[in-house]
Amino acid sequence: AQSVTQLDSQVPVFEEAPVELRCNYSSSVSVYLFWYVQYPNQGLQLLLKYLSGSTLVKGINGFEAEFNKSQTSFHLRKPSVHISDTAEYFCAVTRETGGFKTIFGAGTRLFVKA
Amino acid sequence: DAGVTQSPTHLIKTRGQHVTLRCSPISGHKSVSWYQQVLGQGPQFIFQYYEKEERGRGNFPDRFSARQFPNYSSELNVNALLLGDSALYLCASSLGTGTLNQPQHFGDGTRLSIL
Repeated sequence: AQSVTQLDSQVPVFEEAPVELRCNYSSSVSVYLFWYVQYPNQGLQLLLKYLSGSTLVKGINGFEAEFNKSQTSFHLRKPSVHISDTAEYFCAVTRETGGFKTIFGAGTRLFVKA
Repeated sequence: DAGVTQSPTHLIKTRGQHVTLRCSPISGHKSVSWYQQVLGQGPQFIFQYYEKEERGRGNFPDRFSARQFPNYSSELNVNALLLGDSALYLCASSLGTGTLNQPQHFGDGTRLSIL
């Protein structure tokens, strides 16, 4: 069975500071990993994805994530955040076999303060 | 190009009623997935349809059903509504069945409130 754990429910940070949002997953089969962002009253927008290849993945809005297979982690980072980055961030995994199913974590609320 | 559109945007129902939610995928997308997002939680996978056939199902009771039409639009039906069905229902479309190089594009959702 798959599961996704986002270790922090809320992350407050000052503007222009770096941030890391943590995600750990468990799965008995190969998976693909994603980060999505959700702004208030909106659907989810894909930030970045890891399918294979380089373990460092760059996404939109200056975000990047690193896949670590031995630690089963896929942490999201940004070197300098903006007020506009305030949103809910979701880590998700999709399994490779047995049909199509995406599992989302519970989300991390990033709050950027001036 | 228009993104994924969902209707209605908001809906209020009472316990025991039935509801139908609608989704129009991005033009050219043949796969539609439905998710339930309860307040404060991540989206929970309900169904995935591709070429009018069910290709994936999450852990939801039989009160939940869906279908996909020849134009690839989709409906999610929920019978015998319970208070716990109150949530944001999200629809996502993609080109094919997998997400490999075909990311899911989400609509803004339908907010369903059960009284």
